[in-house]
Amino acid sequence: QSVLTQPPSASGTPGQRVTISCSGSSSNIGSNYVYWYQQLPGTAPKLLIYSNNQRPSGVPDRFSGSKSGTSASLAISGLRSEDEADYYCAAWDDSLSGWVFGGGTKLTVL
Amino acid sequence: EVQLVESGGGLVKPGGSLRLSCAASGFTFSSYSMNWVRQAPGKGLEWVSSISSSSSYIYYADSVKGRFTISRDNAKNSLYLQMNSLRAEDTAVYYCARGGRGNSVHDAFDIWGQGTMVTVSS
Repeated sequence: QSVLTQPPSASGTPGQRVTISCSGSSSNIGSNYVYWYQQLPGTAPKLLIYSNNQRPSGVPDRFSGSKSGTSASLAISGLRSEDEADYYCAAWDDSLSGWVFGGGTKLTVL
Repeated sequence: EVQLVESGGGLVKPGGSLRLSCAASGFTFSSYSMNWVRQAPGKGLEWVSSISSSSSYIYYADSVKGRFTISRDNAKNSLYLQMNSLRAEDTAVYYCARGGRGNSVHDAFDIWGQGTMVTVSS
């Protein structure tokens, strides 16, 4: 059971907009930044969103992040087949003095 | 090119030990905190441990506390994870990942290695 809660799966058709939620608590999302990672099949994770809503250089602006209270979400607009991957949210947890990850959401592009 | 390369994985019996290494290149290793994250087969990501740039701050997940030790050698641009008393549930791909600058371990993991597989089985 992960500290951060994500839906196990999400799907959409090419061109659609999909969102992935991440729910936490006051000790993690509620008081720290949220990060999102993309893991393409058979590869290492890649940083997708940092500090709630910032995109590293090279990440398309189709990807956006937001946070409200103890929840966060990742939105992907103009869905493309290459977006098919596992997506993880993460945050520092003040109570645990460590990082916590969501269980991951497998995105399928239909 | 900024790069992290893990090594040291393999097959080990329950109760055994293993030392993982992560070689960094392409950036000033001594300026960044570093992390270990693992992924069991078919499962999600699990944070294992973090160490600040000067080794002043070290954190462990409860699941490995007392069994694993993280360390770094800034002169050798290397990160280590000494794993003792290994259990079947420690079987996973272990990734090293770069964190933020200095003593902060609260920043994004912006660079990841390719991972090294650890299998604990009799």
